[in-house]
Amino acid sequence: KQEVTQIPAALSVPEGENLVLNCSFTDSAIYNLQWFRQDPGKGLTSLLLIQSSQREQTSGRLNASLDKSSGRSTLYIAASQPGDSATYLCAVKGGTSYGKLTFGQGTILTVHP
Amino acid sequence: DAGVIQSPRHEVTEMGQEVTLRCKPISGHNSLFWYRQTMMRGLELLIYFNNNVPIDDSGMPEDRFSAKMPNASFSTLKIQPSEPRDSAVYFCASSLGGFSYNEQFFGPGTRLTVL
Repeated sequence: KQEVTQIPAALSVPEGENLVLNCSFTDSAIYNLQWFRQDPGKGLTSLLLIQSSQREQTSGRLNASLDKSSGRSTLYIAASQPGDSATYLCAVKGGTSYGKLTFGQGTILTVHP
Repeated sequence: DAGVIQSPRHEVTEMGQEVTLRCKPISGHNSLFWYRQTMMRGLELLIYFNNNVPIDDSGMPEDRFSAKMPNASFSTLKIQPSEPRDSAVYFCASSLGGFSYNEQFFGPGTRLTVL
């Protein structure tokens, strides 16, 4: 059974810092990995999707990497801003064409001015 | 596009009552997913439809839960009878293609409280 772990559970940083969120998964037979953002009381917003054949994806100040063999992904946020404050979730899609997403518990990020 | 639409946004009901949650996926998407989010268990997939057909319902907790997708633009998740432990936020998501490589887009969720 796939298990996804996110570290740290919570992170508080001053504005402007570069930061890294970590995601690890136990079964490396995945199709893709997706990073989401969730604001309090809201749904999930997809940030980045990395296919199993890819090593990284970039979108603006966000960069996500994937090391499938070691079961790890990182989300790098450059020059953090207070508006980045949210919960960040990673999810892996199982290794079959009908594979389901398994989510981590999330990292709660607070960026203070 | 309006994105995934869910209704109601909030639902408060009493134990034993029937609850029906509704979802309209993004137009053109042919896969639909129902998730439940709680503090204790995080986000869990309940059921997944592709082309209106249930593909994986292994996450449906028990027989009190049922889901239907009568057409490509509408799905329901029903709980009958509801129990306090069903209190959670229920999300609907949709994707194009439904298989390995496509992003899932989430609705705003329905916050269910069962008293």
